[in-house]
Amino acid sequence: GAVVSQHPSWVICKSGTSVKIECRSLDFQATTMFWYRQFPKQSLMLMATSNEGSKATYEQGVEKDKFLINHASLTLSTLTVTSAHPEDSSFYICSARVVGGSNEQFFGPGTRLTVL
Amino acid sequence: QQQVKQSPQSLIVQKGGIPIINCAYENTAFDYFPWYQQFPGKGPALLIAIRPDVSEKKEGRFTISFNKSAKQFSLHIMDSQPGDSATYFCAASSRGGSEKLVFGKGTKLTVNP
Repeated sequence: GAVVSQHPSWVICKSGTSVKIECRSLDFQATTMFWYRQFPKQSLMLMATSNEGSKATYEQGVEKDKFLINHASLTLSTLTVTSAHPEDSSFYICSARVVGGSNEQFFGPGTRLTVL
Repeated sequence: QQQVKQSPQSLIVQKGGIPIINCAYENTAFDYFPWYQQFPGKGPALLIAIRPDVSEKKEGRFTISFNKSAKQFSLHIMDSQPGDSATYFCAASSRGGSEKLVFGKGTKLTVNP
């Protein structure tokens, strides 16, 4: 149980285009989902906390207009990278917390974004 | 105060050895301490987690030791195998902190055959 999926697993796009990444909890409901960014050989950096039915809370330094987050249901959150540039190339990972559960977070497999 | 300091940065052991990875924290409000294993190109997977009301927790070959007074916790991998070669992250969170995980910088473990 507690499986989180992400789609797509990798994406290559041209500079200036927008890319949407989906995060789904497959066998549980998640009131809270988190979006992370990870550069090569570095730790995970929390970008934002997404709560179902409300606006996401962004970490300091993360541009909310560039990284649009929508948490439309208890099983789906999306991250849209708008007007992507090469510096946005990174590994994006989501996690989900079980409704009424402990602090435990289950992570998705990640999405590799490459902006040309 | 939100940092979790992890060491060593990298670690090489022989098969069968017992690698130990250490983490230290400052925020006494942290009440959940998980360890994650990450293979290249994959998302982190929860290995084992502990809460501050116990000093040790064991699941299979993985053991967490927790020292509340020293604000430190460590991961021990018994009888390590080449398949354990991965990057390991410690983390911490608190219910009062929106349950956001604060991650250590990671330890790259290599287990040689």
